Amino acid sequence: DVKVTQSSRYLVKRTGEKVFLECVQDMDHENMFWYRQDPGLGLRLIYFSYDVKMKEKGDIPEGYSVSREKKERFSLILESASTNQTSMYLCASSHPTGDEQFFGPGTRLTVL
Amino acid sequence: GESVGLHLPTLSVQEGDNSIINCAYSNSASDYFIWYKQESGKGPQFIIDIRSNMDKRQGQRVTVLLNKTVKHLSLQIAATQPGDSAVYFCAEIPGGGADGLTFGKGTHLIIQP
Repeated sequence: DVKVTQSSRYLVKRTGEKVFLECVQDMDHENMFWYRQDPGLGLRLIYFSYDVKMKEKGDIPEGYSVSREKKERFSLILESASTNQTSMYLCASSHPTGDEQFFGPGTRLTVL
Repeated sequence: GESVGLHLPTLSVQEGDNSIINCAYSNSASDYFIWYKQESGKGPQFIIDIRSNMDKRQGQRVTVLLNKTVKHLSLQIAATQPGDSAVYFCAEIPGGGADGLTFGKGTHLIIQP
């Protein structure tokens, strides 16, 4: 069974804090993705990575950065959290063909 | 810009009836489509996929239909059960590859007893 895990289910941070969201997959997938999910807007791609130390901007990368030091781990970083980054963050992984993506359970981040 | 969307935000059906969830897409270069199911408090889960060289694909109680002429995708769920209550998303990958999925906004399927 493919498993994608995220470090926290719920997180509360203050404006200006640096926030790390961690994602780990155990299926040796090359591709990993970070999305945010907001009511009425669906899932939007923030960043993705198709190899270690590689990263590509998605549709809404502003205010975020990522790190892929190991194949199984993809981190999303909010350098200075803001209230408009309150959201559900979903990590996903897939094989290089880019077909089915397997999702983690999500991290609900609240920025006060 | 290109977009993938769903026609209805909420669909309510009687338990045991068939459900049809629709999706329109605008990127004619998309060659791969997926339906995901997201239950409350969980991440999206794969249900069924279809490639652009097909117009129908069947799974267990689910069927996906693809009409490339009008860029329309639908998910049919047979004999709907309470466990089918969830938000359903269609997603597309333009031309395949690792560029991430473009998701529709989702349809919330509610099963009435």
